[in-house]
Amino acid sequence: KQEVTQIPAALSVPEGENLVLNCSFTDSAIYNLQWFRQDPGKGLTSLLLIQSSQREQTSGRLNASLDKSSGRSTLYIAASQPGDSATYLCAVRFTGGGNKLTFGTGTQLKVEL
Amino acid sequence: GAGVSQSPRYKVAKRGQDVALRCDPISGHVSLFWYQQALGQGPEFLTYFQNEAQLDKSGLPSDRFFAERPEGSVSTLKIQRTQQEDSAVYLCASSSGGGSPLHFGNGTRLTVT
Repeated sequence: KQEVTQIPAALSVPEGENLVLNCSFTDSAIYNLQWFRQDPGKGLTSLLLIQSSQREQTSGRLNASLDKSSGRSTLYIAASQPGDSATYLCAVRFTGGGNKLTFGTGTQLKVEL
Repeated sequence: GAGVSQSPRYKVAKRGQDVALRCDPISGHVSLFWYQQALGQGPEFLTYFQNEAQLDKSGLPSDRFFAERPEGSVSTLKIQRTQQEDSAVYLCASSSGGGSPLHFGNGTRLTVT
């Protein structure tokens, strides 16, 4: 079964700290991987999309890496701010799984002053 | 439009009632997805449209769930004879196709009492 797992489920850090969120997936045959942010009561905002041929993507203070062979992706957030507090979701489009994304359960991040 | 729009924002239904949830995708987006998100979980795939064609409905949990996109733009997710386990946030997403990122609406929170 194609599954996506995110660790940790929750994380609390002081402002300014660099942090890493982890995502693992059970099948290395993927089309792409996408990181989303979800604020309470809101939909999902796309942060970064990594195609299967890519190793990483960067946007501002965010950097996402992809290692297909080990079934892992990490989202690195530099110099965290209270406004980064949200739930971060990893989603994988598996090859042969059609166009659907398979989501992890998310990491709930709190950045404290 | 500027983004994916979903209505209503909140819906309370008595068990056994039928409900209809609407999604207006970003103009010109050919791909449209419906997801179901239970509290504290990641979104779960329900169904996928390419233009007006429903290409994947493997995630619909029962025959009480029905989705349509008759003109290849607006989509409606209908749930007949609602049950308490149908209570969740229903998210709609669209994309321009291929490997492009998904853009999500803010969802409809359905509560079945």
